[in-house]
This record gives sequence, structure tokens and C-alpha cells, in this order.
Amino acid sequence: GQNIDQPTEMTATEGAIVQINCTYQTSGFNGLFWYQQHAGEAPTFLSYNVLDGLEEKGRFSSFLSRSKGYSYLLLKELQMKDSASYLCAVMDSNYQLIWGAGTKLIIKP
Amino acid sequence: GAVVSQHPSRVICKSGTSVKIECRSLDFQATTMFWYRQFPKQSLMLMATSNEGSKATYEQGVEKDKFLINHASLTLSTLTVTSAHPEDSSFYICSARDLGGQVNEQFFGPGTRLTVL
Repeated sequence: GQNIDQPTEMTATEGAIVQINCTYQTSGFNGLFWYQQHAGEAPTFLSYNVLDGLEEKGRFSSFLSRSKGYSYLLLKELQMKDSASYLCAVMDSNYQLIWGAGTKLIIKP
Repeated sequence: GAVVSQHPSRVICKSGTSVKIECRSLDFQATTMFWYRQFPKQSLMLMATSNEGSKATYEQGVEKDKFLINHASLTLSTLTVTSAHPEDSSFYICSARDLGGQVNEQFFGPGTRLTVL
């Protein structure tokens, strides 16, 4: 079956760095996405990785290892507004998104 | 960037009534739109894939007669929850794939909060 695993909840301090991991097992692979979702709102796109390596975009970076079925989202210089759920999703061979359950990130002052 | 709108953003209805939710791609054409449902503290669950001009493809466990999907044009898909019950209360989110964009691009609407009394 298809499976996406990520931690349920993480806590970090304002100004610090946090890494949210995601492991996956899917039928085929056409890229891995990270989305941010604030409570009561729809997801917003953060990053897309289809090749191995690190993609950096401002304070956010995303890493992918296809051989290990592993990705992480790295958030630097954390701000209170970064408190949200972070969803990992993999596009399978049918170009459908398989979603993880999301990681709730709590930022403390 | 591409924009997807949903209407209404919030709806409260009585049990047994039907509710229609619209999903529009505002500045691009979308041959494919996706309808998701999200219960509190859970991830997105794909309900159905809607293709313009053809019948929607429903995920296992989703009743097609209860959740009617119509993708009548390249910019509009509607989801009608028929004879809604309290257990249908959820956050419904649509997303659209840009016809002229990358196959992996998917743009989300802001979501519709449905509460059935």
C-alpha cells in the first residue's frame, strides 16, 4: 500500500531551526511536495522536489533522497507565524497526490 | 500565480438539505480538478477527481450519488452534497491543475467550511 509518515507534532523556539521529516512508500514517484496549512485555511505550496538534493527558498529548505524514500523540510529563523501544520505529499505514478497526516508545529517565544 | 476560488467559504444548513460548492480557476484553464475533505486534525482526503466534460472518478468509500460533481467548463467544477447529515460537516477543499502548466502543479482553493445541523 501507499504510506506517508511524518511526526504528529513538534515544538520549537522562536528564532531557532526545526527539521520536519517525511518518509514515504508509494507506487511510483513524480515528486514530493511540502505544504503549509494554518488552522481553518487551505494548504499553501511551499516546495517541490523531484531530484535528490536540497532546494533552498528563503528561510525554508527541502531535501529529498529518492533511494531512501525520505524528505525533510528545514525551517530557519523561526517566527511565531510559522506555527501551522506542515503537510508532506507525494505524487504517485498516476499523478495523484498522496498526503501525509501533517505535522503540527508549535512555536514558543 | 494561479488563483482558485471557492464559494461559499462557509455554509450552515439543516440536515436533509443539499449544498452546492463551486470551485473556479480564475486565471487559467483546468481540465482536472480535485475535491478533498478534511476533518479536524486530520489530513486531506481525496474524494474525487473531476475532469472537464466527463464523469468524475470517485475514491473508494465515497458515495457518488451523495456527492455530485459537475465539471461543466474548463474553469468551473461544482460539488453538491445531497441530503446532508451532521457527519458530512467538514472542510471541503478543491484544487485545480493548470492545463497549460506542469503536470505536477496543483493550486488550491481557500476551502469551504460546511456545518450541518
